Amino acid sequence: SQTIHQWPATLVQPVGSPLSLECTVEGTSNPNLYWYRQAAGRGLQLLFYSVGIGQISSEVPQNLSASRPQDRQFILSSKKLLLSDSGFYLCAWSEGGGIDTQYFGPGTRLTVL
Amino acid sequence: SQQGEEDPQALSIQEGENATMNCSYKTSINNLQWYRQNSGRGLVHLILIRSNEREKHSGRLRVTLDTSKKSSSLLITASRAADTASYFCATVGVGAGSYQLTFGKGTKLSVIP
Repeated sequence: SQTIHQWPATLVQPVGSPLSLECTVEGTSNPNLYWYRQAAGRGLQLLFYSVGIGQISSEVPQNLSASRPQDRQFILSSKKLLLSDSGFYLCAWSEGGGIDTQYFGPGTRLTVL
Repeated sequence: SQQGEEDPQALSIQEGENATMNCSYKTSINNLQWYRQNSGRGLVHLILIRSNEREKHSGRLRVTLDTSKKSSSLLITASRAADTASYFCATVGVGAGSYQLTFGKGTKLSVIP
């Protein structure tokens, strides 16, 4: 069966520090991968999605970036965090070739101080 | 931008009662999905209904879709305390490259034992 992992689970970082959040998927090949951010009490905002290695689409201009160095690995990064980057970051995957159900990881709670 | 808008924003009911949540959207869709999120956790897929379907059931869940009104409803029958969570609708648009799920802000359901 497929599983999706995210780490770390929680992170507290100072403003201006770098960020690297990692997401890995097991049990499937060539998945579509997604990064979302959820602000407190809000819905999910799609940040990036990827349909293959090295293929990244950005939905929202900001100081975050994403990379997909391997088929089942998706990384969210920032060179300098802002206070507004605080939130709950969720990684998700879906079967390649289209979009039906998305399967979400447990999320990373990021607090920028 | 938000596509789905859930209504109500919050709902509190007694255990055993039925809970109905509504979702409205703005543009044509390929399918509409409902997800559940327990506090501080990732999202769990509940049910998917395609644009050519009008009603779908899964256990105690019943979803309806009215494409003429661009709306959907999620009914949870015989609610339990464990149903307490936030519920989100999400839509997939039509057309090439429709890889995105666009989420609403969610309905926070509280089921009182």
